[in-house]
Amino acid sequence: NAGVTQTPKFQVLKTGQSMTLQCAQDMNHNSMYWYRQDPGMGLRLIYYSASEGTTDKGEVPNGYNVSRLNKREFSLRLESAAPSQTSVYFCASSSRVGNQPQHFGDGTRLSIL
Amino acid sequence: GESVGLHLPTLSVQEGDNSIINCAYSNSASDYFIWYKQESGKGPQFIIDIRSNMDKRQGQRVTVLLNKTVKHLSLQIAATQPGDSAVYFCAENPNAGNMLTFGGGTRLMVKP
Repeated sequence: NAGVTQTPKFQVLKTGQSMTLQCAQDMNHNSMYWYRQDPGMGLRLIYYSASEGTTDKGEVPNGYNVSRLNKREFSLRLESAAPSQTSVYFCASSSRVGNQPQHFGDGTRLSIL
Repeated sequence: GESVGLHLPTLSVQEGDNSIINCAYSNSASDYFIWYKQESGKGPQFIIDIRSNMDKRQGQRVTVLLNKTVKHLSLQIAATQPGDSAVYFCAENPNAGNMLTFGGGTRLMVKP
């Protein structure tokens, strides 16, 4: 019962480096999401994929790109990391967009120096 | 949901007591609400949800109450246990078929 799996769990980057965060779900969900969580703040949506083959911007997409590789996998890429992108990144999935609970992974803790 | 910035409101309760965690939501058109629990170093864990055509829903040891008149959501935890210590936050769906909006959360501390 893995649910949503994120890799890596921790990462330290230097400003300007690139990195891809990986996410996979085994619940046969159609929709997947990437959020960031900053200390004491609510989750903010970066990008989402309503179904395989589609991606859309969320609230804070600048500086990020995503790829829905297949139904199971949804990756988040930082092309040129900036200190403002230091955060905890969560991937989630749901059976569909809308009035359905989203199920989260345990996050990737990313520090950019 | 409420955004509380860097300092989360904290609720401290005695083990065995009942806990009530509150959330004020912003959009009167929201038709779906969820409560999540987040333990330190973990991702948010789904607890219970409720649709706007209901005002109460019960789960195992938890009850969610929805008051649409004052745009208020609450989570009641019966017989609070040390394992309930976590940050709890609500989420609402302000547009049918679209994205959840998350509140900032409340930290629940359970004293033995």
